[in-house]
Amino acid sequence: KQEVTQIPAALSVPEGENLVLNCSFTDSAIYNLQWFRQDPGKGLTSLLLIQSSQREQTSGRLNASLDKSSGRSTLYIAASQPGDSATYLCAVGSSNTGKLIFGQGTTLQVKP
Amino acid sequence: NAGVMQNPRHLVRRRGQEARLRCSPMKGHSHVYWYRQLPEEGLKFMVYLQKENIIDESGMPKERFSAEFPKEGPSILRIQQVVRGDSAAYFCASSPGRVNTEAFFGQGTRLTVV
Repeated sequence: KQEVTQIPAALSVPEGENLVLNCSFTDSAIYNLQWFRQDPGKGLTSLLLIQSSQREQTSGRLNASLDKSSGRSTLYIAASQPGDSATYLCAVGSSNTGKLIFGQGTTLQVKP
Repeated sequence: NAGVMQNPRHLVRRRGQEARLRCSPMKGHSHVYWYRQLPEEGLKFMVYLQKENIIDESGMPKERFSAEFPKEGPSILRIQQVVRGDSAAYFCASSPGRVNTEAFFGQGTRLTVV
């Protein structure tokens, strides 16, 4: 049974710092991994999708890496801004039905 | 191209009533997924549907919950005889394919049972 863990559960950094969010999964047989952002009381915004054959994806100040063999992914945020404050969710697609298994999330606070 | 549309955004029901949650997928998407986010818990998969078919309902509670995605119209998640434990945020996601495609989520319906 696939399990997804995100560490840390919460993170507070000053504006401008580069930071890394971690995601680990127990079963390396995955189709893809997706990172989302969730603002309080809001829906999920897709940030990056990494296919199982890929090692990383980049979008603006965000870079996500995937190491299937070790069951890990990282989300790197460069030059953090207060507007980056949100909960970041990692989700693994390990079924041929496309359903996602989510981690508990990392709640990020970027202080001005 | 409008995103995934869910309505209502907020729904209050008394114990024992029925709740109907609607989801219109993005244009061109025929795969719909429902997830539930209980307070202080992560998102959990409930059901996966394609037009007129339930493909995977392994996450659905055995009783009181049902889902459909008719040929015409939105997908519906129906909860009969709601109880306080059903209070949660219910999210719908759609994608153009089954695997290796990006999932797009709606804003969610926040159900409160009083």
